[in-house]
Amino acid sequence: GDSVTQMEGPVTLSEEAFLTINCTYTATGYPSLFWYVQYPGEGLQLLLKATKADDKGSNKGFEATYRKETTSFHLEKGSVQVSDSAVYFCALSVEGSEKLVFGKGTKLTVNP
Amino acid sequence: GAGVSQTPSNKVTEKGKYVELRCDPISGHTALYWYRQSLGQGPEFLIYFQGTGAADDSGLPNDRFFAVRPEGSVSTLKIQRTERGDSAVYLCASSRDMNTEAFFGQGTRLTVV
Repeated sequence: GDSVTQMEGPVTLSEEAFLTINCTYTATGYPSLFWYVQYPGEGLQLLLKATKADDKGSNKGFEATYRKETTSFHLEKGSVQVSDSAVYFCALSVEGSEKLVFGKGTKLTVNP
Repeated sequence: GAGVSQTPSNKVTEKGKYVELRCDPISGHTALYWYRQSLGQGPEFLIYFQGTGAADDSGLPNDRFFAVRPEGSVSTLKIQRTERGDSAVYLCASSRDMNTEAFFGQGTRLTVV
C-alpha cells in the first residue's frame, strides 16, 4: 500500500541553523508529494508541494525536491527561525485518489 | 473569510455512548474530508465527500462510524457505541474542488473514558 516514512523527532535547533527533515515514500501509482505544517494551536497548513519528478516545491524559505529515483522528498531550510517551531508532516496523494497519506510528523523546536 | 470550523473543539464521552462531530467547510468548497489523528501519529484518512455524496469511504474503520453531508455543505461524523480506542483528534478539511489545496480545521479532540 501507499505509505510515508519521515524522520523521527523531536528536532531541536538553534536559530539560523540548517534544517533537513527526511521523508521517503512508497506508492502504488504516481504520487504528488506535500509538506504540511502545524503551528501550535493551529490547523494543518499546506507548506509546499511537488507533482512530478524533479519538481522543487518552495515556500517561506523551505524547499523540497521530488526525487523519484530515491523515492524521497526531504524538507530543507537554510536558516531556521524561532517562528518555524511546529510539527511538520510529509504526505502523498496518488493519482486518481483524493486522499492524503501522511507520515507520523516531526516536531521542530527552534531556540533563540 | 472564515476557515474550516469544527465543533465541539473538545468532547469527553463515556464508553458506549453515541457522539456527533460537526464540520463547517469554507463556503463554496465542494470537497470535504475527514481524518483521524491518534497521539504521535499522522492524520489517517476516513472519508471524502464530493458534494452530498461520499466518493470514498474506504478509511472508515468499521460500521460504528458514519458520516453525512446532506446539503453539500456542513458534514457530521457520527460514532456509535464509542470505544476507548476511538480517542483521537478528528480533523476536517475542505477544498474548492478535486485536486485543489485542502484547508484543515483545528480538529475535535475526542476522549472516550
